[in-house]
Parts: sequence; C-alpha cells; structure tokens
Amino acid sequence: NAGVTQTPKFQVLKTGQSMTLQCAQDMNHEYMSWYRQDPGMGLRLIHYSVGAGITDQGEVPNGYNVSRSTTEDFPLRLLSAAPSQTSVYFCASSYSASGETQYFGPGTRLLVL
Amino acid sequence: GENVEQHPSTLSVQEGDSAVIKCTYSDSASNYFPWYKQELGKGPQLIIDIRSNVGEKKDQRIAVTLNKTAKHFSLHITETQPEDSAVYFCAAVDTGRRALTFGSGTRLQVQP
Repeated sequence: NAGVTQTPKFQVLKTGQSMTLQCAQDMNHEYMSWYRQDPGMGLRLIHYSVGAGITDQGEVPNGYNVSRSTTEDFPLRLLSAAPSQTSVYFCASSYSASGETQYFGPGTRLLVL
Repeated sequence: GENVEQHPSTLSVQEGDSAVIKCTYSDSASNYFPWYKQELGKGPQLIIDIRSNVGEKKDQRIAVTLNKTAKHFSLHITETQPEDSAVYFCAAVDTGRRALTFGSGTRLQVQP
C-alpha cells in the first residue's frame, strides 16, 4: 500500500491563480480530510468527506472547494489564490467515518506571491 | 467549537529522562484523543490514542492519561532517545461532528 499520497510536493502561485492539490489513498477509507498547517497554530481542518459524493466544511473552509467523486481521491481546489493561503497542506484518511485514527500524507507546501 | 490548548510549546530533556506534554480541551462531547508525532518535512504520524471510556493507555515507552472531569490529557515518554526529537501534537475529536481539533504542538528536543 502506498497509503496517502499528495501531489505536488511544492507549488508557487501568483495571487489570483487557481490550482488543485491532489490527494489519493489506496486503503479503501471512507473518511478523507484536508488540513492546513501554519507556524504556531497546529493543523486546522478545511474540509472533510465521509464517502463519495459527501463533503462538509471544517474550521477554515473559505477560499477552498472540494469534491469526492471516488473513494480514492479527494482533491482540494483553490479558486483564486491569496497570500493568506500560503501554508503546508495535509490530506488524511481514516477507516472510521467518525474521523478517528487518521493517516496523513506527506504534505504540499504552497507559496502564494 | 472545540478548543485544545497544549503545553509546553518547547521541551528539552536529556537522553534517558522522561518527557510530559499536557493538553486541555473545552468540549465535553469530545470522546477520542489521539497524539501525533511530526518529523521535519513529513506528515503527522499517529503514535497513540485514547478514548473517553479509558483513563490510561500504554505502548512501550509511551503512555497517555485522560482526566475527563478536568478535561485534560497528557503524553508521557519514558527513557527518551534522540530519535524521539520531533514536534508532538495532541488532538480531540467529537466523533459526532467528525472533526479533529489539534493543539498548537510541542517541539521536543532530546539531548544526547
């Protein structure tokens, strides 16, 4: 098993550009989630999904869209990047629909100029 | 919503000593408390967790304790080794809301 994979590892964007951060898992987990990690603030939940076709907002959803068309994939879209979205983004998945025991990917470092 | 506070923010110990990291949470509905270890440039890795119906759990050199009444839980690492150096995060989950709330992290440095 590859576990949770994320691409790209690093990305530089200009303000106003859009992009999609990819996340995939091969563990047949129903629950998937996106977090952002900023210095001194721990990880904050952006969006999560408890199965294909089902998504919900987390603590900091503004400026981000998600969709879940398959069990394996959970992409995160930035519609119009802002410098405040400079962060490290982590995707996670869990076999538990309640969000317990989450396994994290290696992260995507995003810099918005 | 849930608020998780974590202390200390940095902790330096000598190899072989014990390390203790403490967290408090605000939402009495939270019922699952994982601890994650994050090494530089990597994603968080689950190292131990505890549910609200359990007061203590051990796994080799790592233990976690939970006091539901006081709403705090702690991570204990005994016989620390240099490879324990990392950032540790506590978290709380209200499984009804399916949302994981993290503490701000503790940077542990184990001096050889």
